[in-house]
Amino acid sequence: TQLLEQSPQFLSIQEGENLTVYCNSSSVFSSLQWYRQEPGEGPVLLVTVVTGGEVKKLKRLTFQFGDARKDSSLHITAAQPGDTGLYLCAGAGTDSWGKLQFGAGTQVVVTP
Amino acid sequence: NAGVTQTPKFQVLKTGQSMTLQCAQDMNHNSMYWYRQDPGMGLRLIYYSASEGTTDKGEVPNGYNVSRLNKREFSLRLESAAPSQTSVYFCASSQTHDGADEQYFGPGTRLTVT
Repeated sequence: TQLLEQSPQFLSIQEGENLTVYCNSSSVFSSLQWYRQEPGEGPVLLVTVVTGGEVKKLKRLTFQFGDARKDSSLHITAAQPGDTGLYLCAGAGTDSWGKLQFGAGTQVVVTP
Repeated sequence: NAGVTQTPKFQVLKTGQSMTLQCAQDMNHNSMYWYRQDPGMGLRLIYYSASEGTTDKGEVPNGYNVSRLNKREFSLRLESAAPSQTSVYFCASSQTHDGADEQYFGPGTRLTVT
């Protein structure tokens, strides 16, 4: 089992501030995904990164995959209340087709 | 296009009762999955189906059975519910995009076993 550790577990910030969420493992992943989950709903895919060192931007969200493909980060610039949610990272092992290993998640709360 | 749908949304069972959670997707995806989500533990894979007619165990299969009825539908059955199965259950389907398997989740079923 490839463990994915997310940090911090909980983050509360004011609107307009920046934040970074981390996802770390000792294992190599063929790809890594970030999902956002709102209360009472299922996770929604935000981005997939597949190449070591890759950086993807989605409006105010920046995702980075580590050079060794063992870790990833999510940075939100000028956070808004609509960014509130549970952020989950999920990695696909190099030998485990389709089966994702999920981190426990980071709960982000952005207050106006 | 409804995506992934799940029924029921909420369920309360007594220990020993049985039930089936239903899942359907209309995106023509080959692969489908069942997860459970518990506080502080993330999503854990119960069973998955790579294609119609095949099913395989995930990380936590004990106490559950599944049926891939056709390409659209994948059901999860609890034969004799236990309090440890109190959880939120999510169904997902997936497609391969740029070499990665991207999963789409249903809204979940909140199950309480007393």
